[in-house]
Amino acid sequence: DGGITQSPKYLFRKEGQNVTLSCEQNLNHDAMYWYRQDPGQGLRLIYYSQIVNDFQKGDIAEGYSVSREKKESFPLTVTSAQKNPTAFYLCASSMTVSNQPQHFGDGTRLSIL
Amino acid sequence: AQSVAQPEDQVNVAEGNPLTVKCTYSVSGNPYLFWYVQYPNRGLQFLLKYITGDNLVKGSYGFEAEFNKSQTSFHLKKPSALVSDSALYFCVEGKLIFGQGTELSVKP
Repeated sequence: DGGITQSPKYLFRKEGQNVTLSCEQNLNHDAMYWYRQDPGQGLRLIYYSQIVNDFQKGDIAEGYSVSREKKESFPLTVTSAQKNPTAFYLCASSMTVSNQPQHFGDGTRLSIL
Repeated sequence: AQSVAQPEDQVNVAEGNPLTVKCTYSVSGNPYLFWYVQYPNRGLQFLLKYITGDNLVKGSYGFEAEFNKSQTSFHLKKPSALVSDSALYFCVEGKLIFGQGTELSVKP
């Protein structure tokens, strides 16, 4: 079955550490996205990528970094510069940006120890 | 500024009654509009989309939405609500503009 896989499902980080969240898709989609969701709130866009080796900042990119070396993979690194990283992180993909529906992974919940 | 608004944080409906979740948009050009549903601790699932054509769009699980250009709205509807429809619903414009979400609660 085609889909989008996020791992791990739960992740704990000590203060001052960087952590990387994995996102893999086998849907042959060009576009991929990272969102942050805080309790009781909507989604905020962190980064998105329209094509391999290209990505753009979203609304809340500070303290995060991404790479898009392969079409299938779009890992997100939460750096120590992100002062409030505890959140639910969602990865998504779509054929193109704007007029195609996004397919979402089941998320990674990041907590600070 | 371009935006999508879901004016109700929560909608409560009795099972078997019709439901409406409201969405209005303010974007330049022709909008691409989507509805997604999110169950607890899960990703969003696509329900339906409006790109062009018929103003009434039918989607998954018996949901439909009506695009109204004059009112800049794209309300989600279902004729008869189920308890299992209880979830968080998001209206999204294709330029990655998300509404803040509406919590739908269907009581037996």
